[in-house]
Amino acid sequence: GEDVEQSLFLSVREGDSSVINCTYTDSSSTYLYWYKQEPGAGLQLLTYIFSNMDMKQDQRLTVLLNKKDKHLSLRIADTQTGDSAIYFCAESIQQAGSYQLTFGKGTKLSVIP
Amino acid sequence: DAMVIQNPRYQVTQFGKPVTLSCSQTLNHNVMYWYQQKSSQAPKLLFHYYDKDFNNEADTPDNFQSRRPNTSFCFLDIRSPGLGDAAMYLCATSRRQGLGMEQFFGPGTRLTVL
Repeated sequence: GEDVEQSLFLSVREGDSSVINCTYTDSSSTYLYWYKQEPGAGLQLLTYIFSNMDMKQDQRLTVLLNKKDKHLSLRIADTQTGDSAIYFCAESIQQAGSYQLTFGKGTKLSVIP
Repeated sequence: DAMVIQNPRYQVTQFGKPVTLSCSQTLNHNVMYWYQQKSSQAPKLLFHYYDKDFNNEADTPDNFQSRRPNTSFCFLDIRSPGLGDAAMYLCATSRRQGLGMEQFFGPGTRLTVL
């Protein structure tokens, strides 16, 4: 199947680092994404990584990919209250000739001031 | 700013009363998607259009239909909404299909069924 799994909740103190984890199942070459959803808003692409990479860094965000374990993580350094949101891991898969995103259920990040 | 717009943001309908949700985009993207997102669930793809070609997911109920009269607009029609259809409906676009093609999402329409 194409399940993407992630834990549902994470709570961190302001200024600490947050690490959100995700596992996926498709073993073919693919792109993996992290989207952010704030209350009442749509999904905003934060960053993505191709499956031939191990790491990608973009300002406060670091994505780590362990292909062997099919494990993806998003680290947010110096977490701020504005980072409180739901974070979705997604995998790009090819199905029936078209490319689709398969999402996890989302991890709700709560930042404690 | 180029964007994906969804109207209305909140929609209330009665059980069995047809409802239409609207999505428009100023990005001039070829592909438009409709997702259903229930509370604490992953967004689930209902269907997508690549230009005028309609692609339905195998498990999308017949109760859900879509129209794309031109590049900019796409509509989601729910013919006979049931209580289980209450959800957030997300519209997204991408320039084309392919691995790594970023999808741009609208703010969503939250549908309530009474």
